[in-house]
Amino acid sequence: GENVEQHPSTLSVQEGDSAVIKCTYSDSASNYFPWYKQELGKGPQLIIDIRSNVGEKKDQRIAVTLNKTAKHFSLHITETQPEDSAVYFCAAGDTGQLTFGSGTQLTVLP
Amino acid sequence: GAGVSQSPSNKVTEKGKDVELRCDPISGHTALYWYRQRLGQGLEFLIYFQGNSAPDKSGLPSDRFSAERTGESVSTLTIQRTQQEDSAVYLCASSYLPGFSGELFFGEGSRLTVL
Repeated sequence: GENVEQHPSTLSVQEGDSAVIKCTYSDSASNYFPWYKQELGKGPQLIIDIRSNVGEKKDQRIAVTLNKTAKHFSLHITETQPEDSAVYFCAAGDTGQLTFGSGTQLTVLP
Repeated sequence: GAGVSQSPSNKVTEKGKDVELRCDPISGHTALYWYRQRLGQGLEFLIYFQGNSAPDKSGLPSDRFSAERTGESVSTLTIQRTQQEDSAVYLCASSYLPGFSGELFFGEGSRLTVL
């Protein structure tokens, strides 16, 4: 089955700096790669996703890049703000089920 | 409703007791998923329902775990003879489109504590 590894597990950045979270996956059949943000006491919420026919996608301050050859994808958050502090999960999958990474606790320091 | 609703939000039970967790998906969503999230860890897939198809139960950790869904409505996850290692947040998600061609909408979870 699919195996998703996510790094780092914790990340602290100064407000205004950029944050990068990286994930690798094992199953070359995976073609859908979403990123979810989970705030304390809440369920995860989709923030951006990318499919295998695209190498990069951007939405305002967040962007995701995908390298299918190397089987890795990354989340980039620019101009970080305190409200970006949360746990971020990457995931990979095809039809059937999504496999999630172990999460990254992002803290944006004022 | 406006979002995925789960109940109870918190459940404390004694080892060996059975528990039932409920998920009310977004109206019209054909797909429903259960995930388990242990403290500080990622989301572990448990089971997936898609319309009237046979559910994908490949993630259920043991035969003490079972889930049902009637049509495209409410789902219940049942854990029999609970063990301390079952303590976790159980998250339900629904999706309008089958498979993973659509966004998963998560509920806030049911936090289970087994004493």
